[in-house]
Amino acid sequence: GNSVTQMEGPVTLSEEAFLTINCTYTATGYPSLFWYVQYPGEGLQLLLKATKADDKGSNKGFEATYRKETTSFHLEKGSVQVSDSAVYFCALTTPGGGTNAGKSTFGDGTTLTVKP
Amino acid sequence: DAGVIQSPRHEVTEMGQEVTLRCKPISGHDYLFWYRQTMMRGLELLIYFNNNVPIDDSGMPEDRFSAKMPNASFSTLKIQPSEPRDSAVYFCASSWVNEQFFGPGTRLTVL
Repeated sequence: GNSVTQMEGPVTLSEEAFLTINCTYTATGYPSLFWYVQYPGEGLQLLLKATKADDKGSNKGFEATYRKETTSFHLEKGSVQVSDSAVYFCALTTPGGGTNAGKSTFGDGTTLTVKP
Repeated sequence: DAGVIQSPRHEVTEMGQEVTLRCKPISGHDYLFWYRQTMMRGLELLIYFNNNVPIDDSGMPEDRFSAKMPNASFSTLKIQPSEPRDSAVYFCASSWVNEQFFGPGTRLTVL
């Protein structure tokens, strides 16, 4: 079945530090890959996505590249801010039919705290 | 668009009481999901629907939990009777073409 493994947290960084959160996946077919972010007291919201190999998703200074050869979708940001403190979830969805159609598989989430 | 709407936002009840959580998905979305989130267990998928039909309810923890989607614009998750271990944040999400849109959640506390 489908699975997503992401870097365990929590991760604590100083403001303006470089961020990497690792994510690897196992899936049948050609999944779409996502990063969601959850701020305190809120639901998850889409941060970025990539739908095919070598695509780069980007938003708010965050980037992730769909690497089919390494089955990875690592999240990066060059300079984090205090406002980036949140929980980050890597996820995948396999398109088409089958038992997993339409359903997303989420990683366990990585908590990021950025200190001033 | 108002996004996914959930009500109530907070619910405090006593053990043994019936609890009903409500969700209005984004218009036009054909999938609807119910999740539960706790510190101990993380984010768990309880059940999901496609075009109002339940597809997979294997995540529903016990028979005390039930979910319905009578039409494309409304779904409920019911817990009867509620227990303290049901305390969690319950999220509803809807999707179209794979990207999920989450509601703000209902924080349930069972005393």
